Formats: sequence, C-alpha cells, structure tokens
Amino acid sequence: ETGVTQSPTHLIKTRGQQVTLRCSSQSGHNTVSWYQQALGQGPQFIFQYYREEENGRGNFPPRFSGLQFPNYSSELNVNALELDDSALYLCASSAASGRTYNEQFFGPGTRLTVL
Amino acid sequence: KQEVTQIPAALSVPEGENLVLNCSFTDSAIYNLQWFRQDPGKGLTSLLLIQSSQREQTSGRLNASLDKSSGRSTLYIAASQPGDSATYLCAVGGSNYKLTFGKGTLLTVNP
Repeated sequence: ETGVTQSPTHLIKTRGQQVTLRCSSQSGHNTVSWYQQALGQGPQFIFQYYREEENGRGNFPPRFSGLQFPNYSSELNVNALELDDSALYLCASSAASGRTYNEQFFGPGTRLTVL
Repeated sequence: KQEVTQIPAALSVPEGENLVLNCSFTDSAIYNLQWFRQDPGKGLTSLLLIQSSQREQTSGRLNASLDKSSGRSTLYIAASQPGDSATYLCAVGGSNYKLTFGKGTLLTVNP
C-alpha cells in the first residue's frame, strides 16, 4: 500500500510568483486536505477536497486555490506569493464515508521558501 | 472557534522515564482527536486516533485518553527511549472535517 506522496520536496520562489504543489493520496482514499505549517507552529487548515469538489476552507485568501482529480490526487496553487507564504505545506488523505471521521494520513510535505 | 493548547511546550527526560503530554481544547463538540509525531522538517506520523465516543486508545507503549466534557486529552508514553525524541502534536476533528492543531510539545529523551 502506497502512502501519501508530495512533490516537490523543496521549492524556492520569489515574491509575486506562482507555485503549484502536488499530492498523491493513499490508495483507497477519496478525501484530500491541505495544511500550512509555519516554523514553530502547528499546521493550519487551508482547504479540503472530496470527490473533486472543495468541501471546506480555512482562513486563507482566494490566491490559495486547489484541484482534485478523478484519481483523487490533488494540487495546491498559490498566486502572487508573499514572504509569509514560506512554510511547510502538508497534504493529508483519508477515506471519508458518510459521517464517519476517519484517520488522516499525512505526506512528507513540501518546503516552500519565498525570497 | 476551536482552540487547542498543548502543555508543556518542551520536555526533557532521561531514558526509561514514563511521561505525560497534555492537550486541551475549547469546544467539546468534536468528532475525534488524533495524536501525531513530527520529526524535524518532516511530515506528520499518526500515532493514535480517538473517536468522540471513546475514552482511550492504546498502541504499544503509547496510551491516549479523551475527556470530552472537560476538553482534555493526554498522551502517556511508557519507558521512554531516545528514539521517541520528536514534536508531538494533538489535533481535534470538528464538524467541517478539518483538524485543528495545537503548537506541539517538543520531547527530548536523553540517553
């Protein structure tokens, strides 16, 4: 069974640029969530996708957007990068079924540095 | 708005000691609570998941308890080892499927 994978591992961008981060969910999982973790902080919820539709969003501006594909993989896009966007971006997958809250499994993360 | 607090922020213990990490949350209307381990610069490894209807879960040397009414959870680690050194994060699952995390407890187990 393959776990959650993310690419790239590290990324360096400059202010104003755009970035796309990718996540492949664990086999059998249909829900993907994205989190931002600043240094020394706990992860903050960005949004979640379930069956290719956004299923909840945290307190992040519209320049953070995402997609989920039919194979349940996902992308996080960030436009007009700011210095404060520098963080570890984590993807988590789970097997949502009705109102059952199942365990979330996290990938290794993508370290984004904005200069 | 759900807020999660973890105490202590950092803990240093000698090898072999039993220890308890604490997590508190402000809104008791949770669906589950999950404990994670994070090594420096890495992703999160799930340790234990407690559903809201459960009181505790055990895995090996780890035991997690949940008291929804008081908004508290504890993670008990028995016979600590240097390999247990990491940041431990507590996260509560709410009605909108998201996890709300605490800032974590940095554990150092000294040989």
